[in-house]
Amino acid sequence: EAGVAQSPRYKIIEKRQSVAFWCNPISGHATLYWYQQILGQGPKLLIQFQNNGVVDDSQLPKDRFSAERLKGVDSTLKIQPAKLEDSAVYLCASSFGARGNNEQFFGPGTRLTVL
Amino acid sequence: DAKTTQPNSMESNEEEPVHLPCNHSTISGTDYIHWYRQLPSQGPEYVIHGLTSNVNNRMASLAIAEDRKSSTLILHRATLRDAAVYYCILRDNAGANNLFFGTGTRLTVIP
Repeated sequence: EAGVAQSPRYKIIEKRQSVAFWCNPISGHATLYWYQQILGQGPKLLIQFQNNGVVDDSQLPKDRFSAERLKGVDSTLKIQPAKLEDSAVYLCASSFGARGNNEQFFGPGTRLTVL
Repeated sequence: DAKTTQPNSMESNEEEPVHLPCNHSTISGTDYIHWYRQLPSQGPEYVIHGLTSNVNNRMASLAIAEDRKSSTLILHRATLRDAAVYYCILRDNAGANNLFFGTGTRLTVIP
């Protein structure tokens, strides 16, 4: 079974530039999550999708971050414009469903460095 | 929001059992207890989860207190490959997960 795919693996940009990350979840997984993990901290949930609808985006900085999941499969996360404090690893995860007994499968992450 | 508390770090000798504690005093009746671990430069990896009863799988065992306000992840024989950050999180079965990872416990395995 193929895992969660993410690209790119690494990205370096200057502040005020834009960047986009892509995620392909495990086939058949209805729930998709984007997390931000700053060095030394645990992952922080940014947004959760159920199919192509948003379940929770309460911690997404909506003035600069946006995410979409067209057709309920792949997802993109965009930052525009980036700030220095956005330097982090961005993790995508998926699960079969959103109920509490579903395990999440994580991708390898995209390491973003903002200069 | 139901959150968890874990020690920042623990050490274990190789091939000895490890007990990683987690407190979740505000857990609700519909919250599942999940454990994940994160090896260096990798995404988190699922370890085990449970609701009320103790659980065993090929990776670990999960012991849940009778009042569900705490749990313990048990690695029966620690190996060097078990060195990682271990996270205890709660997942609401109603779907409003509000997932919170915290900073986890960094496990060091001594050869």
